[in-house]
Amino acid sequence: DTGVSQNPRHKITKRGQNVTFRCDPISEHNRLYWYRQTLGQGPEFLTYFQNEAQLEKSRLLSDRFSAERPKGSFSTLEIQRTEQGDSAMYLCASSLETRWTGELFFGEGSRLTVL
Amino acid sequence: DQQVKQNSPSLSVQEGRISILNCDYTNSMFDYFLWYKKYPAEGPTFLISISSIKDKNEDGRFTVFLNKSAKHLSLHIVPSQPGDSAVYFCAALSGTYKYIFGTGTRLKVLA
Repeated sequence: DTGVSQNPRHKITKRGQNVTFRCDPISEHNRLYWYRQTLGQGPEFLTYFQNEAQLEKSRLLSDRFSAERPKGSFSTLEIQRTEQGDSAMYLCASSLETRWTGELFFGEGSRLTVL
Repeated sequence: DQQVKQNSPSLSVQEGRISILNCDYTNSMFDYFLWYKKYPAEGPTFLISISSIKDKNEDGRFTVFLNKSAKHLSLHIVPSQPGDSAVYFCAALSGTYKYIFGTGTRLKVLA
């Protein structure tokens, strides 16, 4: 399967612990996005990478959140000192700028539960 | 401030009938709109899109209508099928890369 892959699919952690999510975009997609979705809400933009450069970071992303995309391939989203309010589905999406159709390809998401 | 709004959290439709899902937006600078479908435990999947230079786009059973003056778009599904039961999100493209999503409408197609 050459779709967007996210790991782990589900993470349960205690408040105060650090967690890291990984996203492997579709091969050759140079655009990568992280979104967060909570119950009853639509996906909320967190951050955007074009190749390895992080071009935008939402104000929703506090200092406890950091995202990286070394070498412009996979990306990681780390949350430090997790809080119960961080419980959500974290969605990764990718697209290819040079053949832009406006379509984002989403992964299946990583669900975080903070106890 | 919610720039993309889906005011109906849920909709039930009989199989074979038309489903109409609505979406409103506030920013007149948005020039590209998309609809996504989401099943439980899966990521959203792209359904159909429309550019602001058009007022209608069709793809099989799915048609999206755009009314720029009213800042309103709608998704029509006809005929509706039980497999269409899912949460539908509309999204608007802000600038060249940022997609802003609505809160979603849960569609249930009754057999």
